[in-house]
Amino acid sequence: DSGVTQTPKHLITATGQRVTLRCSPRSGDLSVYWYQQSLDQGLQFLIQYYNGEERAKGNILERFSAQQFPDLHSELNLSSLELGDSALYFCASSLGTVPYEQYFGPGTRLTVT
Amino acid sequence: DQQVKQNSPSLSVQEGRISILNCDYTNSMFDYFLWYKKYPAEGPTFLISISSIKDKNEDGRFTVFLNKSAKHLSLHIVPSQPGDSAVYFCAASGARTGANNLFFGTGTRLTVIP
Repeated sequence: DSGVTQTPKHLITATGQRVTLRCSPRSGDLSVYWYQQSLDQGLQFLIQYYNGEERAKGNILERFSAQQFPDLHSELNLSSLELGDSALYFCASSLGTVPYEQYFGPGTRLTVT
Repeated sequence: DQQVKQNSPSLSVQEGRISILNCDYTNSMFDYFLWYKKYPAEGPTFLISISSIKDKNEDGRFTVFLNKSAKHLSLHIVPSQPGDSAVYFCAASGARTGANNLFFGTGTRLTVIP
């Protein structure tokens, strides 16, 4: 158990809809990272937050947004969903801003139909 | 642009033998490298790491070797056990690149045959 929790585990929704994925980092970790893993692909970095502030952006679509709240949990919002957004979404956390060892949650599997 | 590459999608090894997983990278600014293990329906789990100032790091049955001139690293598992069967991801990080994230390879599925 990494100490990182993600909800929900599975999500099935239709094209055009909007969903919110939630992540709680390990106790004491200030950084939260979001990754997308599509079929047979590596993990693609989406965005990082550190102590409530956006720190770095990766290949995140404009239809996607995220935030980190004062209690350090984070939410990833995906809107105007397309079939290609179906993927595993992982959240990871680390103590500081430098992304050395990151600890991953179990992921949310999103299926867009 | 895939900056971290794992060219072998899968590897099968007999129990007790050595497993060698390979990883190549293209960005010479990377200065820290990690291996993660992933079981189905779970998130990746940190396994072992190595800084670019070293060429070898060992932790029990796991050893990571780094060849900076070749931009290549490898993970050796000796002896391999059936419980090691999982997908292994190589990742790289570089604070000097200005990027605050890990760059992952596409993974190698290791199967250890009892």
